[in-house]
Amino acid sequence: LAKTTQPISMDSYEGQEVNITCSHNNIATNDYITWYQQFPSQGPRFIIQGYKTKVTNEVASLFIPADRKSSTLSLPRVSLSDTAVYYCLVGDTDKLIFGTGTRLQVFP
Amino acid sequence: DTAVSQTPKYLVTQMGNDKSIKCEQNLGHDTMYWYKQDSKKFLKIMFSYNNKELIINETVPNRFSPKSPDKAHLNLHINSLELGDSAVYFCASSQGDSALGGYTFGSGTRLTVV
Repeated sequence: LAKTTQPISMDSYEGQEVNITCSHNNIATNDYITWYQQFPSQGPRFIIQGYKTKVTNEVASLFIPADRKSSTLSLPRVSLSDTAVYYCLVGDTDKLIFGTGTRLQVFP
Repeated sequence: DTAVSQTPKYLVTQMGNDKSIKCEQNLGHDTMYWYKQDSKKFLKIMFSYNNKELIINETVPNRFSPKSPDKAHLNLHINSLELGDSAVYFCASSQGDSALGGYTFGSGTRLTVV
């Protein structure tokens, strides 16, 4: 299973766009890239998933370069409620490994 | 309706006791999981289970055992509880046995062993 590396923490202000980059140099051909969000005292919540290029949904965008060795989660115009831990996962099996995640703090 | 529900939400018990945590999903998913999140917030998979096979993380002590009465339930039994078992335990489910589509997690059970 591919290992992922993300920044431990990031700070932002309300209304800004936040980009969290994840490195996964050993990603395999069949691996998907998935991002989860976790609030305190809650379980992780699926945000977005992609295989290559760009994926967008109502919550975020996911940018994946051609070599797929990294990916960037983009959160447009964050609000205080986006303060959470964001996990990047890479895999294609039912044994997804969570890394340390990125703790995003949004300030007013 | 809660998609993945766990009970109890909080569990405080003494060392040496045996306890169970229940999990139910109403999503019609095929695969269910148990994860442990320790005090450092690392999420580690413990088990994955569908009606075909049980996959156990080799680092999980055999005091932990999942039991699935049916496709919608995966309960976690823990025997002879130890202080180090204190953590938040999350149940999750997914459609099929691949990562496609992501997992749906429950809200967690905070286990405190005293």
